[in-house]
Amino acid sequence: GAGVSQTPSNKVTEKGKYVELRCDPISGHTALYWYRQSLGQGPEFLIYFQGTGAADDSGLPNDRFFAVRPEGSVSTLKIQRTERGDSAVYLCASSLDGTGGPSDYTFGSGTRLTVV
Amino acid sequence: QQQVKQSPQSLIVQKGGISIINCAYENTAFDYFPWYQQFPGKGPALLIAIRPDVSEKKEGRFTISFNKSAKQFSLHIMDSQPGDSATYFCAASNTGKLIFGQGTTLQVKP
Repeated sequence: GAGVSQTPSNKVTEKGKYVELRCDPISGHTALYWYRQSLGQGPEFLIYFQGTGAADDSGLPNDRFFAVRPEGSVSTLKIQRTERGDSAVYLCASSLDGTGGPSDYTFGSGTRLTVV
Repeated sequence: QQQVKQSPQSLIVQKGGISIINCAYENTAFDYFPWYQQFPGKGPALLIAIRPDVSEKKEGRFTISFNKSAKQFSLHIMDSQPGDSATYFCAASNTGKLIFGQGTTLQVKP
């Protein structure tokens, strides 16, 4: 597709449930990033993939958060035992190869997660 | 040391005026300083960016001023238009991942 696609656009879940958020990057982009944006704040880095491997997962807040990218394209962010504090917009970005830094980042529109 | 501090939190400017948003950083290893524009319900979109080897970069109505010694950089929007009303984020990077400021909500009054 022309841009980074994230699905669903909105997700409401009950506290304690498991959720999966999907990111479909721009075709051919090998670098993929997940960020979390809480209301009124700037995005915060979660994890960076180069190809299939997680090159930097230092931003994942705890072991309830996990992300995969098994074929080097689509990525899924998985959150177990959701808590109300997980409510935020989860943004995905991709770039051609990551070596040029974020100068060619493209962000998706995000998934708004609400935990009730 | 990884923080990027942004001010003001909100800004109201008359149409045709100049909007100025400021950011400060601590980590001298940062080597890329972008500004992003974000509209409600959308992801951030790159507006303009600068590297620390230049002090100013201009693209159309948007200018970044960069002061390496003070570890500060700013965005100037000339001839501000109502369509510029959005949230603006500065950011910094040296590893590919971005460290964002807290954001500035800009309202341009017609």
